[in-house]
Amino acid sequence: GENVEQHPSTLSVQEGDSAVIKCTYSDSASNYFPWYKQELGKGPQLIIDIRSNVGEKKDQRIAVTLNKTAKHFSLHITETQPEDSAVYFCAARSMEYGNKLVFGAGTILRVKS
Amino acid sequence: GAVVSQHPSRVICKSGTSVKIECRSLDFQATTMFWYRQFPKQSLMLMATSNEGSKATYEQGVEKDKFLINHASLTLSTLTVTSAHPEDSSFYICSARGGGIYNEQFFGPGTRLTVL
Repeated sequence: GENVEQHPSTLSVQEGDSAVIKCTYSDSASNYFPWYKQELGKGPQLIIDIRSNVGEKKDQRIAVTLNKTAKHFSLHITETQPEDSAVYFCAARSMEYGNKLVFGAGTILRVKS
Repeated sequence: GAVVSQHPSRVICKSGTSVKIECRSLDFQATTMFWYRQFPKQSLMLMATSNEGSKATYEQGVEKDKFLINHASLTLSTLTVTSAHPEDSSFYICSARGGGIYNEQFFGPGTRLTVL
């Protein structure tokens, strides 16, 4: 089955700096890769996603890159703000795994002001 | 993104009672709904997947008689924790798929269950 690894587990950055979170997946059949932001006591919020036929996608300060050959994808947040502080989860979805999302372990991002 | 609501947001119950949690997709029809459980500082653990009008598919190790799932319509799924015990205390989150062009999956706000 699919296995998703996420690094780092915690990340502290200064306000205004960039943050990068990386994930690797094992199933080459995975074709959809969403990123979720979860604030304390709340459900995960979809912030950006990418499909396997695209290498990069950007939405304002957030971007995701995908390297299918290496089977890894990354979340990039530029000009970080204190409100970006949260737990971020990557996930991968494969039809061979019943089209279910497999999540990474999560990254706690702290943006210091 | 699409909106998924969940009710109640927080529930405290006595051991041995049953608790029902509702999940609704507010602005789209969800072909598939999922129920997750999340322990503190951990990732989301999928409990079961349900499609409207059919029986839920449970993940390995999840007791289907303990966690009853009903997906009565394309906008409503319920999770009933039967005969709850303190070890069932957790954060339960539902998710619905079918709201976007890529079948994105959207999550509800979660329900904090505390069993005394």
